[in-house]
Amino acid sequence: RKEVEQDPGPFNVPEGATVAFNCTYSNSASQSFFWYRQDCRKEPKLLMSVYSSGNEDGRFTAQLNRASQYISLLIRDSKLSDSATYLCVPLEGFQKLVFGTGTRLLVSP
Amino acid sequence: EAGVAQSPRYKIIEKRQSVAFWCNPISGHATLYWYQQILGQGPKLLIQFQNNGVVDDSQLPKDRFSAERLKGVDSTLKIQPAKLEDSAVYLCASSLPPPGLEQYFGPGTRLTVT
Repeated sequence: RKEVEQDPGPFNVPEGATVAFNCTYSNSASQSFFWYRQDCRKEPKLLMSVYSSGNEDGRFTAQLNRASQYISLLIRDSKLSDSATYLCVPLEGFQKLVFGTGTRLLVSP
Repeated sequence: EAGVAQSPRYKIIEKRQSVAFWCNPISGHATLYWYQQILGQGPKLLIQFQNNGVVDDSQLPKDRFSAERLKGVDSTLKIQPAKLEDSAVYLCASSLPPPGLEQYFGPGTRLTVT
């Protein structure tokens, strides 16, 4: 089983739509989780941190289900600028991030 | 505040040649990481430094890859000799010690091995 599993997509949605991405992780000892955003041919950048059951930041909501080892990211009112790859990242050990392959989102006019 | 700097941005070499990448982290960031990102995949950690000491190099192919951070600031990653499968983007990232867990990434070096 992969350490982090994500649907690679792409998810094609119209502007204004709500879209959700799921991620499962294998290491039950992981305590902290992150969603990173990566634009095409750019470096990853932190989008959200998830330390407890969830986190909300504007149009973005992350939820964590430790029992099922499952994290989700919900984007409401999608914008064209949301088009990117979203990487699910559990934290393991001493500051070690384990990146998933990412889910690609394409928002169209 | 200046971000993580990397050079070169692009490099094309033939297989069996050597190559070196350089990284300058954000000032004050004690932890430095090198990642390899192959097209279509997420970044994979190669090596993690805390100051000038190695914390994790379990996924570094030590027969051909080496890295150092002699003075606890800049770092270099070397590949010798390169193979075709080393074609990837090599990302450097840095972070503050805990609890500052956010990693800041540099723009990466895109390596093509022909």
